[in-house]
Amino acid sequence: DGGITQSPKYLFRKEGQNVTLSCEQNLNHDAMYWYRQDPGQGLRLIYYSQIVNDFQKGDIAEGYSVSREKKESFPLTVTSAQKNPTAFYLCASSPWDRPLYGYTFGSGTRLTVV
Amino acid sequence: DQQVKQNSPSLSVQEGRISILNCDYTNSMFDYFLWYKKYPAEGPTFLISISSIKDKNEDGRFTVFLNKSAKHLSLHIVPSQPGDSAVYFCAASEKETSGSRLTFGEGTQLTVNP
Repeated sequence: DGGITQSPKYLFRKEGQNVTLSCEQNLNHDAMYWYRQDPGQGLRLIYYSQIVNDFQKGDIAEGYSVSREKKESFPLTVTSAQKNPTAFYLCASSPWDRPLYGYTFGSGTRLTVV
Repeated sequence: DQQVKQNSPSLSVQEGRISILNCDYTNSMFDYFLWYKKYPAEGPTFLISISSIKDKNEDGRFTVFLNKSAKHLSLHIVPSQPGDSAVYFCAASEKETSGSRLTFGEGTQLTVNP
């Protein structure tokens, strides 16, 4: 049963700490993405990766880092440099060259800084 | 610079009537347009898409219309059902330069009243 899994569903972090959000897919998709959702602002792209060992910054990459060591995995690290990290984070994957098929999204991770 | 805009944060309709959700874009390079549906605390799910070579695409109760000259698209849901109550995101892609990378609008909360 193919899909995309994000963990954990809820995450609490103290200010000044780094935290890593997990994203795994078994859809054999080439591309993976991280989006952030804030109320009234839609989905904003943080990072994306078209292929293993390569990734590009999205529109709001500051304070975040990613890695793509395996096709199936695209973890996102929220660093202490991210000024307002409390948000709902969504991971997605897609075939890179088939835009009309859209993305498959995970169920999200809600990060709260305490 | 919001390239994809959904100007109505919310829409309320009666069950059985038509729901019309609107989306405007500014980037003339966008070639592909998609609609996603999102329930709270879940990832968005792909609903319907349209290529810029078409002006209409239909799938059951859902129809997307594209007006390239006005840089406007709309999603029609007929008849609306209470289960359609969700946030709807419009998204766009300029395939030639960015493959399947999507730019999302802010979303419209649709409420269908029984």
